[in-house]
Amino acid sequence: DGGITQSPKYLFRKEGQNVTLSCEQNLNHDAMYWYRQDPGQGLRLIYYSQIVNDFQKGDIAEGYSVSREKKESFPLTVTSAQKNPTAFYLCASSPDRGAPLGQSYYGYTFGSGTRLTVV
Amino acid sequence: RKEVEQDPGPFNVPEGATVAFNCTYSNSASQSFFWYRQDCRKEPKLLMSVYSSGNEDGRFTAQLNRASQYISLLIRDSKLSDSATYLCVVNDPGGYNKLIFGAGTRLAVHP
Repeated sequence: DGGITQSPKYLFRKEGQNVTLSCEQNLNHDAMYWYRQDPGQGLRLIYYSQIVNDFQKGDIAEGYSVSREKKESFPLTVTSAQKNPTAFYLCASSPDRGAPLGQSYYGYTFGSGTRLTVV
Repeated sequence: RKEVEQDPGPFNVPEGATVAFNCTYSNSASQSFFWYRQDCRKEPKLLMSVYSSGNEDGRFTAQLNRASQYISLLIRDSKLSDSATYLCVVNDPGGYNKLIFGAGTRLAVHP
């Protein structure tokens, strides 16, 4: 079955440590996204990529980095510069290629998420 | 003003009740609208798209009022399994297939 796989499900980070969250999809989607969700808040966009070898900053990119070397993979690194990284991280993908007015016809499919905690 | 605003709830309703959620969005140029469902500590899942003419999927009905920049979701004959948080989602018209998520409305259906 096609889908998006995020790993690990739970991750614990020590102060000053970089950690990488994995996101892999076999849906053949071009676009991939990383969101962060804090309790009682909506999803906030960290980074997104519409095509291999290209990505853009979202609304809260500071302290994060990404790469998109393969269509299937969009890993997110949480660096030590991110001062409050404890959150639920969600990866998503979309088959939409983008429309003139930014329309989305299919919405996003999400992975099951990674819960990151600073210890 | 938030780009997508929802009443956080919770809405506590008995089984069989009809419940309605509302959502307002700030950018009149938005073209795409969705409702997502998110269970506790799980990922959001697409419930339904929202079309200009309104649309229905079983017990769920979505309506769009472009003039008022308002989206609604009606759930009839509520089931215990409907208990979840419902996210209102609109596209960012200045972006490239970018979606903006509301913080969600929590629904609790009780026996």
